[in-house]
Order: sequence, then structure tokens, then C-alpha cells
Amino acid sequence: KAGVTQTPRYLIKTRGQQVTLSCSPISGHRSVSWYQQTPGQGLQFLFEYFSETQRNKGNFPGRFSGRQFSNSRSEMNVSTLELGDSALYLCASSLRDRGFPNEQFFGPGTRLTVL
Amino acid sequence: AQSVTQPDIHITVSEGASLELRCNYSYGATPYLFWYVQSPGQGLQLLLKYFSGDTLVQGIKGFEAEFKRSQSSFNLRKPSVHWSDAAEYFCAVDHMYSGGGADGLTFGKGTHLIIQP
Repeated sequence: KAGVTQTPRYLIKTRGQQVTLSCSPISGHRSVSWYQQTPGQGLQFLFEYFSETQRNKGNFPGRFSGRQFSNSRSEMNVSTLELGDSALYLCASSLRDRGFPNEQFFGPGTRLTVL
Repeated sequence: AQSVTQPDIHITVSEGASLELRCNYSYGATPYLFWYVQSPGQGLQLLLKYFSGDTLVQGIKGFEAEFKRSQSSFNLRKPSVHWSDAAEYFCAVDHMYSGGGADGLTFGKGTHLIIQP
């Protein structure tokens, strides 16, 4: 079974621009979560999508948004980029049925650099 | 709010020696606990998980971890490390609201493992 894939792997943008990152989950997984990883703040939860609905959201400004498609693929968007948005963005998928914990499987990440 | 503490930022171990990475969590109810490993430039790979039952859990690559509720700990161990174990290790906790759903994994800051030849 193919793992979680993320595209692109590397991205360089300038302040004020917007960016869209893509994530394809493991086949059969309906939950997709996004995390931001920085040296200073570590790994932080952005949001989770399940069956095309945002189920949970972390403590990030509204510039960070996402969506999920009917095939469970997900995109996240960051508008009006700031230097502090430079990070590794990780996507994770899981079965995540309600009421049951499930392990999350992570993709390789997208390295975003904001200049 | 739940939190995870990994007290050791860096640990250096000789190849062939035993390893223990510490993890303490703060959460009122039963936590779901995980250990992940991250190699440079890579995503996170799940080593093992604890949901319930036997408090000693076995994972991949020869790792094990023991859940101790009284100490709020979930330490990772390996009897003999290999040079390929050099990486960043993250402990994480999750929980489910009674109504279903969750607010994502909460991670510790990580422990950087260095293997000496």
C-alpha cells in the first residue's frame, strides 16, 4: 500500500504571497491532519479533515486554511505569507473513526521557505 | 491542556549500548501514547503506540516502551543501539473527546540521539 504523499517537497516563496500544499493519504484513510514543524515551536497541530469536513483546528491564524476532497486528498493554503511561516509542513492520514484512536501515518513533508 | 515533556534535548550513546529516552505527559484521562522517529529531511515514522492493556509495548526496529500511569511516563528503550538509530525521537499524546473527534497529536520537543562508534 502506498504511503502518504505530499507535493511539492520544497517551495520558496516571498512575503505576502500565498501557497497551496497538497497531500494524498493512504488509500482507505478518510482523516487527514496537518502539522507545522519549526525549530522553535516544534510540531504543532494545524487542523484535521474527515470526510471533507474540518473536524478540529489548532491555534493558528485564519491565514491558514485547508480543504479535503471527496477522494480524501487534502490541500492546505497559507495566504499573505510571513517569514515565520517558514517550516516543514507535515501531513498525516489515519482511519480515525469516531470514538477510536488511530495511529497517524506521516508523509515526507513540504519544506516551505519564505524570503 | 495536555502536554508532553521530553527532558533530554540531546543524548549520546555508544553503538551497542542500551538506550532509554524519557517522556512524561500531562493529561487527566487515559492518554493514547506514541513514539515517532524522524531522520533528517524525512517525515515521522511510527515506532510504537499504547492505547490500553499490557503496559509494555513492542515496536519496530527493536524498540519497546513502558507506560507507567503512576509516573505519567512512557519511556522508550532499546537494548542495543545501532548507528542507524541516530535520529530525532518524538513522544506524542492523543485523546478522544467523549463525542468522538480529536484535536490532534500533542508532541514533545524531541530528543536528538547521537550514536558514537
